[in-house]
Amino acid sequence: GQNIDQPTEMTATEGAIVQINCTYQTSGFNGLFWYQQHAGEAPTFLSYNVLDGLEEKGRFSSFLSRSKGYSYLLLKELQMKDSASYLCAVTSGTYKYIFGTGTRLKVLA
Amino acid sequence: GAVVSQHPSRVICKSGTSVKIECRSLDFQATTMFWYRQFPKKSLMLMATSNEGSKATYEQGVEKDKFLINHASLTLSTLTVTSAHPEDSSFYICSARPVEGERETQYFGPGTRLLVL
Repeated sequence: GQNIDQPTEMTATEGAIVQINCTYQTSGFNGLFWYQQHAGEAPTFLSYNVLDGLEEKGRFSSFLSRSKGYSYLLLKELQMKDSASYLCAVTSGTYKYIFGTGTRLKVLA
Repeated sequence: GAVVSQHPSRVICKSGTSVKIECRSLDFQATTMFWYRQFPKKSLMLMATSNEGSKATYEQGVEKDKFLINHASLTLSTLTVTSAHPEDSSFYICSARPVEGERETQYFGPGTRLLVL
């Protein structure tokens, strides 16, 4: 079957670093996406990993290990506006996204 | 670039009526559009995949006669919730996959909040 797991909730302090993990077991793998979603809004694209390794984009980085079925999203210098849900999604050849359960991140002052 | 719009953003309707939601890719052509449903504090659940000029592909458990999808052009897909009931109340989000460029990436619309009374 298809299974993508993320922690349900995380809390961190403004200015800190937080790592949100995503593990997946899917029949096939093309790539892994991370999206940010604020409550009641559309998900916005953060990153896309196809190959193993770290992709850095400003304060956000995403890592992928295909052999371990594992990815993480790293957020540095946390800001209050980073409080949101973070969704991990895997594609496996059909262009359909299989979404993880999502992680609600709360940033505290 | 890569903007997707949805209309309406919010709709309240009476039980038994039908509601149509439009999804448009504003500055790109989309081979495929996807329709998702999201419950409060939950992740997105794919309902159906919509390809221009062909019948939509529905996920297991989604009633095709209840959720009618039409993909009339490379920039427009519509979802009609027929004979809506209170349990259909939800946040409906569409996404579009571009014909050109990063074809794996989906761009999401702002969502439509449906409340059925």
